[in-house]
Amino acid sequence: GIQVEQSPPDLILQEGANSTLRCNFSDSVNNLQWFHQNPWGQLINLFYIPSGTKQNGRLSATTVATERYSLLYISSSQTTDSGVYFCAVNSGYSTLTFGKGTMLLVSP
Amino acid sequence: DTAVSQTPKYLVTQMGNDKSIKCEQNLGHDTMYWYKQDSKKFLKIMFSYNNKELIINETVPNRFSPKSPDKAHLNLHINSLELGDSAVYFCASSPMTGGTSGNTIYFGEGSWLTVV
Repeated sequence: GIQVEQSPPDLILQEGANSTLRCNFSDSVNNLQWFHQNPWGQLINLFYIPSGTKQNGRLSATTVATERYSLLYISSSQTTDSGVYFCAVNSGYSTLTFGKGTMLLVSP
Repeated sequence: DTAVSQTPKYLVTQMGNDKSIKCEQNLGHDTMYWYKQDSKKFLKIMFSYNNKELIINETVPNRFSPKSPDKAHLNLHINSLELGDSAVYFCASSPMTGGTSGNTIYFGEGSWLTVV
């Protein structure tokens, strides 16, 4: 099956800093999603982005499908951005395969 | 108007008991899933149903039995609970099955199961 690797595994930021999270995947994909799991455990859809670039407020994502990676940018981070960020991919008949996540802590 | 809702949110039970978690989606999706998140936060697929039919069973013990009475509902029944079953169980749904382009998946809020 498809392998998904996320980096860094952990990240600590001060409020206001910017960050880039990376997701590498081992095969071509039809679907790629980024999720934020907040400290209360909810999995929130951030982006559906199998290719190209999207922006939503302080968050943006870029997927370069031909090079099999996706980046999630967080600008002017806030304490509410804390949590775990997951990248998940699938293609063909497979179900969504998740990376192990990046745990982000934004301190005031 | 929650899209994917699951109950209960928290469940504490003794070893050996049988318990169920219910899930409903109002998105009109054809496909529903159960995922398990372990203590290290790793999310792994357990089951996938498409229009009430089981399409994926990822080597989950027989003690876990999903049931889909209609395409909007996918319940998870667990027999003879063990300590290792303690985890967060997420229900999810998507318009269609597999890695078809555009097949965005939506998750419920999770059910925290603790077996003591």
